[in-house]
Amino acid sequence: EVQLVESGGGLVQPGGSLRLSCAASGFTFSDHYMDWVRQAPGKGLEWVGRTRNKANSYTTEYAASVKGRFTISRDDSKNSLYLQMNSLKTEDTAVYYCARGTVAGNDYWGQGTLVTVSS
Amino acid sequence: EIVLTQSPGTLSLSPGERATLSCRASQSVSSSYLAWYQQKPGQAPRLLIYGASSRATGIPDRFSGSGSGTDFTLTISRLEPEDFAVYYCQQYGSSPRNTFGQGTRLEIK
Repeated sequence: EVQLVESGGGLVQPGGSLRLSCAASGFTFSDHYMDWVRQAPGKGLEWVGRTRNKANSYTTEYAASVKGRFTISRDDSKNSLYLQMNSLKTEDTAVYYCARGTVAGNDYWGQGTLVTVSS
Repeated sequence: EIVLTQSPGTLSLSPGERATLSCRASQSVSSSYLAWYQQKPGQAPRLLIYGASSRATGIPDRFSGSGSGTDFTLTISRLEPEDFAVYYCQQYGSSPRNTFGQGTRLEIK
């Protein structure tokens, strides 16, 4: 059974940093692209970024709203995905989901972890 | 950047009725990379349709997708009580990746 479990969310002050993790199981993690998607309270879904697999040189892409502040990384030996968030703003407050990326869209999602940016 | 606009914002229907949800793109989207998701309160999104018209694993056949170019449609043939939720379309072929529409809320009339 495919499982994605996010962790690391919490309350952080504006300008602060936070690192989210996503533990994957039930599939060959190293074969897959992985995405981060967020959802502000009461709002819609916003793609944050992607990391490709080793075969595609682990290249990353980011939404304009987070580029230069957020960094996606992965450790295939630990079946884990990470999101390093720096220079956080109040508008980054959201539930952050990790999701598996395929040619069929995002077919599996974690349950999400809440990040609150507030003083 | 491709912008996806969903309509209507809210759709009020009764169980047993047919639901038609629209997703319009600001420029042509490859049909291979258009998906639909369902999200219920407090839950992660669930993939329903990919490649504009292919049902994901385990999705009932009352859900169908169609369209090409800039106009796509999600149809639910006969609404079940569990179908009342928010629905999002997504394009995942053009940069920036994984653009989502703003969502359509399907509520019980």
